[in-house]
Amino acid sequence: GAGVSQSPSNKVTEKGKDVELRCDPISGHTALYWYRQSLGQGLEFLIYFQGNSAPDKSGLPSDRFSAERTGGSVSTLTIQRTQQEDSAVYLCASSLGTGTDTQYFGPGTRLTVL
Amino acid sequence: GDSVTQMEGPVTLSEEAFLTINCTYTATGYPSLFWYVQYPGEGLQLLLKATKADDKGSNKGFEATYRKETTSFHLEKGSVQVSDSAVYFCALSDRNSGYSTLTFGKGTMLLVSP
Repeated sequence: GAGVSQSPSNKVTEKGKDVELRCDPISGHTALYWYRQSLGQGLEFLIYFQGNSAPDKSGLPSDRFSAERTGGSVSTLTIQRTQQEDSAVYLCASSLGTGTDTQYFGPGTRLTVL
Repeated sequence: GDSVTQMEGPVTLSEEAFLTINCTYTATGYPSLFWYVQYPGEGLQLLLKATKADDKGSNKGFEATYRKETTSFHLEKGSVQVSDSAVYFCALSDRNSGYSTLTFGKGTMLLVSP
């Protein structure tokens, strides 16, 4: 079956603009995660959705970052008033449940803020 | 908080050489431990995992043993191939996150020459 997909694959934006990144998880996976991969910080957890529970937002770096998950499936990560330090690869992953279930990662969206 | 420390790369080897990539961790309680691999131009893939002390994870000739006494999860392979060239990430999840979100090391690049 299809894996995790993300769009766009690349996004170039100007400082101060808002961007939306999309993630389509594997069908039937109840858990969805966003991570950020940057040169200076490595891979960092951002936010986690599990079913209909309130999301775990403990990794979001500032209030400019938000995410939603509609209908328990597709998720959108929004970054408002982008800054140059937001430049990174944003990775989405999904898993069947939680615990030790394997997380399957998408190919990522490379965001460049000029 | 949780943390994962990996040896810095790049690790440069000739084909058929023995590989060790060191990984140590700091976590609360008994974390689950993972190795992920990122091949050039591709997304993260789970390579192997171990969920309790003394467990050995293995896949594609790679092995890692969960050592609680040394808080380590070193990755080994007896004979590397050019196709193993990639970035390897050690990661953990623990009860603080409901064994859900992953904490990653900074990654170790492996370069294998013919």
